[in-house]
Amino acid sequence: AQTVTQSQPEMSVQEAETVTLSCTYDTSESDYYLFWYKQPPSRQMILVIRQEAYKQQNATENRFSVNFQKAAKSFSLKISDSQLGDAAMYFCAYKGRNSGYALNFGKGTSLLVTP
Amino acid sequence: EAQVTQNPRYLITVTGKKLTVTCSQNMNHEYMSWYRQDPGLGLRQIYYSMNVEVTDKGDVPEGYKVSRKEKRNFPLILESPSPNQTSLYFCASSTPALNTGELFFGEGSRLTVL
Repeated sequence: AQTVTQSQPEMSVQEAETVTLSCTYDTSESDYYLFWYKQPPSRQMILVIRQEAYKQQNATENRFSVNFQKAAKSFSLKISDSQLGDAAMYFCAYKGRNSGYALNFGKGTSLLVTP
Repeated sequence: EAQVTQNPRYLITVTGKKLTVTCSQNMNHEYMSWYRQDPGLGLRQIYYSMNVEVTDKGDVPEGYKVSRKEKRNFPLILESPSPNQTSLYFCASSTPALNTGELFFGEGSRLTVL
């Protein structure tokens, strides 16, 4: 079974600064998707960014970008110009392209943003 | 508005009292699933359904039942709840037509079993 590891239970960043959340995964599949979901205090699961394994280019969504290192099985999330609204739990998730629809989630990283 | 709707959002119950958490999606998605979220454990899949009348166990199915009689609905049934089922529950849906692998989540149901 694929496992997703987020080694940082908590992170802190000052407003306007940049922070990187780490994620590693274990898989024998060659084609898959990787995701970062944000869960603010409202508990809603919000998709932040998605990466397809066959695409070499790192995905970017406004202030959010990823560093996808396929050989190292690493998928970190960089948040630039951090805002108070970025404070949330962040989950990294994996899905094999041909292995159904279930996502394998990491245990999450709680991000605190300080003024 | 495209959405996944869960009810109730909050529930406190007692051990052994049967309860059902409903889930409905209006996106005509074939796939639906239930996850539970616990501190330090992330989200774990309970059950999933690939289509009407097709359901299967996820990683943590013990103590739960599901049914998929209609495409839009996928209720989660706790026949005899126990305190270890106190958790935050999410329903999610998807479709192969998207070809993105993305899951669409409901807003979560906080369940406390005393």
